Amino acid sequence: AQSVTQLDSQVPVFEEAPVELRCNYSSSVSVYLFWYVQYPNQGLQLLLKYLSGSTLVESINGFEAEFNKSQTSFHLRKPSVHISDTAEYFCAVSITSGTYKYIFGTGTRLKVLA
Amino acid sequence: DTEVTQTPKHLVMGMTNKKSLKCEQHMGHRAMYWYKQKAKKPPELMFVYSYEKLSINESVPSRFSPECPNSSLLNLHLHALQPEDSALYLCASSQRSLVNNEQFFGPGTRLTVL
Repeated sequence: AQSVTQLDSQVPVFEEAPVELRCNYSSSVSVYLFWYVQYPNQGLQLLLKYLSGSTLVESINGFEAEFNKSQTSFHLRKPSVHISDTAEYFCAVSITSGTYKYIFGTGTRLKVLA
Repeated sequence: DTEVTQTPKHLVMGMTNKKSLKCEQHMGHRAMYWYKQKAKKPPELMFVYSYEKLSINESVPSRFSPECPNSSLLNLHLHALQPEDSALYLCASSQRSLVNNEQFFGPGTRLTVL
């Protein structure tokens, strides 16, 4: 069965410090990978995605994630965070064959401290 | 227009009421979704419509009744809900494929059942 694991439920970090939010998945078939961000009282917004090609993907606001097939990971990184990055971050996996599956991880709350 | 809109933003209803949630997108997407999200949890898939036909029902109780009148609109009819149904209800849409496309989320309807 497929699954997505975000081990860190909360990550506190000081402003301008680097951060890494971890995402690991389990699947016997090929997957597509996504990171979504959810600000308080809002819906989810796509941050970045990996479908194919370069394993390093970047977003317009400084986040990047690297697909590592051997470690089945898709960790999200930012070299310098801002207060405005405080939000809930969800990793998601979609299965590329067979029955439709779009699985969200349990989320990581990033809290940026002044 | 790259937006998914949802109305109302907030809804308070009694257990005997009948109400409806509405969702609209004008991106030409042919897959639309309803999710339920409890506090500090990931979204849980409820229903998927593909080309205006219900393709996935994740064993949702019959007190939730989805409807897709056309390719741009998605409704969720509510009747005889329970207090535990209080949650944020998110609508999303994606392009024709249900598998590998990013999902565009609306801001959600915050539902409180008294």
